[in-house]
Amino acid sequence: GENVEQHPSTLSVQEGDSAVIKCTYSDSASNYFPWYKQELGKGPQLIIDIRSNVGEKKDQRIAVTLNKTAKHFSLHITETQPEDSAVYFCAASTDSWGKLQFGAGTQVVVTP
Amino acid sequence: GAGVSQSPRYKVAKRGQDVALRCDPISGHVSLFWYQQALGQGPEFLTYFQNEAQLDKSGLPSDRFFAERPEGSVSTLKIQRTQQEDSAVYLCASSPRDSSLYEQYFGPGTRLTVT
Repeated sequence: GENVEQHPSTLSVQEGDSAVIKCTYSDSASNYFPWYKQELGKGPQLIIDIRSNVGEKKDQRIAVTLNKTAKHFSLHITETQPEDSAVYFCAASTDSWGKLQFGAGTQVVVTP
Repeated sequence: GAGVSQSPRYKVAKRGQDVALRCDPISGHVSLFWYQQALGQGPEFLTYFQNEAQLDKSGLPSDRFFAERPEGSVSTLKIQRTQQEDSAVYLCASSPRDSSLYEQYFGPGTRLTVT
């Protein structure tokens, strides 16, 4: 089955700097890659996603890139703000109805 | 609009008790997923419904776990004879279509603590 690895496990950045989180996946059939932000005591919130026919997608300060050949995808957050502090999860979907395999998460701390 | 809701938000059960966790998906969403999230970990898939049909239950950890969605809307995850290792956050997610290419929206989760 699919295996998703996520790095780093923790990331501390100064406000205004950029943050990058990287994930690799094992199943070449994976075709959908969402990113979720989870704040303490809340459910995961979808922040951006990318499908396998696209190499890059951007939404304001957030961007995701996908390299299908290397089987890795990354989340980029620019101009970080304290409210970006949370745990971020990458995920990959392979089967026909969308079961997600999640990475272990990255704790992002943005210091003012 | 209304998102995915789950109840109760917190549940404390004594070992051996049965519990029932409820999920109200976004109206009209075809797909419904249950995930289990241990402390400090990513969510792990438990089971999947397409309307009222349970098409995948490969992630259910034991036969003490049972899920249903009888009318293709509200779903209930039941855990019989709870054990301490069942302590986790149980997340429900719904998706508008039965395809891997559509977004899943998560509820706030139910935190289950087994004492």
